Amino acid sequence: DQQVKQNSPSLSVQEGRISILNCDYTNSMFDYFLWYKKYPAEGPTFLISISSIKDKNEDGRFTVFLNKSAKHLSLHIVPSQPGDSAVYFCAAKWSGGSNYKLTFGKGTLLTVNP
Amino acid sequence: NAGVTQTPKFQVLKTGQSMTLQCAQDMNHNSMYWYRQDPGMGLRLIYYSASEGTTDKGEVPNGYNVSRLNKREFSLRLESAAPSQTSVYFCASSELRGATNEKLFFGSGTQLSVL
Repeated sequence: DQQVKQNSPSLSVQEGRISILNCDYTNSMFDYFLWYKKYPAEGPTFLISISSIKDKNEDGRFTVFLNKSAKHLSLHIVPSQPGDSAVYFCAAKWSGGSNYKLTFGKGTLLTVNP
Repeated sequence: NAGVTQTPKFQVLKTGQSMTLQCAQDMNHNSMYWYRQDPGMGLRLIYYSASEGTTDKGEVPNGYNVSRLNKREFSLRLESAAPSQTSVYFCASSELRGATNEKLFFGSGTQLSVL
């Protein structure tokens, strides 16, 4: 059972436009969400995160929105740049309990065309 | 700024062979992890070490063993490699497992093929 879903395997946008990457989750216990970016032949790198007590977190060109009632989060990149071309992973965790497991989605390949 | 260093970067094994993937971090992090990534799949946790001296199974531990050699180093061993273990393996570390805002720092990965 996939608890974190990224239903779009790929997304292509023009440079300067907005990129919107989506992520849905099924486990209502998740209370912390992260986005990681991965370039080919490199490991994932942390991009931005959001706690369930917030509905928005912004860091420069990157903004993450959380809709708890819909169990949905999205990553907005404005404006998109060719260097943003990478695979983006959504991840979620439950801060309670003793497992502290971080659950990843399958990733979305973003291509930003010059 | 080495961060998390994994060796080797590439490895080809025959079925039944054994090997150890090495990982070291220089950030004085307490927790270390081994993940695998398969095509069309997210990262899945194999084993983790919350702190020096402890190790625990993750989501997909079968066929693997780990050793937390010291605070810096965490190795992953395949005793008898199988084609199903063909994957990209990532080592990661974090300052403190379980912290609400815990962030993982990943190595660049090991591409392993088992023939």
